[in-house]
Amino acid sequence: LAKTTQPISMDSYEGQEVNITCSHNNIATNDYITWYQQFPSQGPRFIIQGYKTKVTNEVASLFIPADRKSSTLSLPRVSLSDTAVYYCLVVRGNSGNTPLVFGKGTRLSVIA
Amino acid sequence: DAGITQSPRHKVTETGTPVTLRCHQTENHRYMYWYRQDPGHGLRLIHYSYGVKDTDKGEVSDGYSVSRSKTEDFLLTLESATSSQTSVYFCATRLAENTGELFFGEGSRLTVL
Repeated sequence: LAKTTQPISMDSYEGQEVNITCSHNNIATNDYITWYQQFPSQGPRFIIQGYKTKVTNEVASLFIPADRKSSTLSLPRVSLSDTAVYYCLVVRGNSGNTPLVFGKGTRLSVIA
Repeated sequence: DAGITQSPRHKVTETGTPVTLRCHQTENHRYMYWYRQDPGHGLRLIHYSYGVKDTDKGEVSDGYSVSRSKTEDFLLTLESATSSQTSVYFCATRLAENTGELFFGEGSRLTVL
């Protein structure tokens, strides 16, 4: 399964756009990319998933280049409440009996 | 959420005692997972299940066993708890193999003295 690598931490000011990149060099054809957000003392919460190009929902956008060896989670105009740990997770498509292994995540700190 | 309930939410126990954590879901999700989370280590997969009575090991399975006798319940057992198993344990579910969306419970904080 594809191993993921993310920056350990990032800082941003309120109102800025934040881009968090995840590297997954050995991603397989059937794999797709998911992102999660985790606040202290809570379980992670699903944000977005994608296979290629760009996906957008009400919370974030996900950009995936053609080679799919990386992905970028984009959070528009962050606020203090976006301070959290963000994880990318590569999931094997059409296969449920595979382990889902998280990386260490990126700790985003939003500053007023 | 996927109607995930973890119990107990908090437990303090002594070294050498058995402990069972329960994950209960009400949405008929096929796949279930147990993770532990410790400072500096992120989420680490302990065991997972891809159906009733179908389970497999994750990254850190030593000292843990699981059982899934019905779709809605996934039990994590520490046969003889050790201080190194002090952690926050999260259960997660996944509806089907054509989605990567996981739903997480609120976690169970276990302290082994």
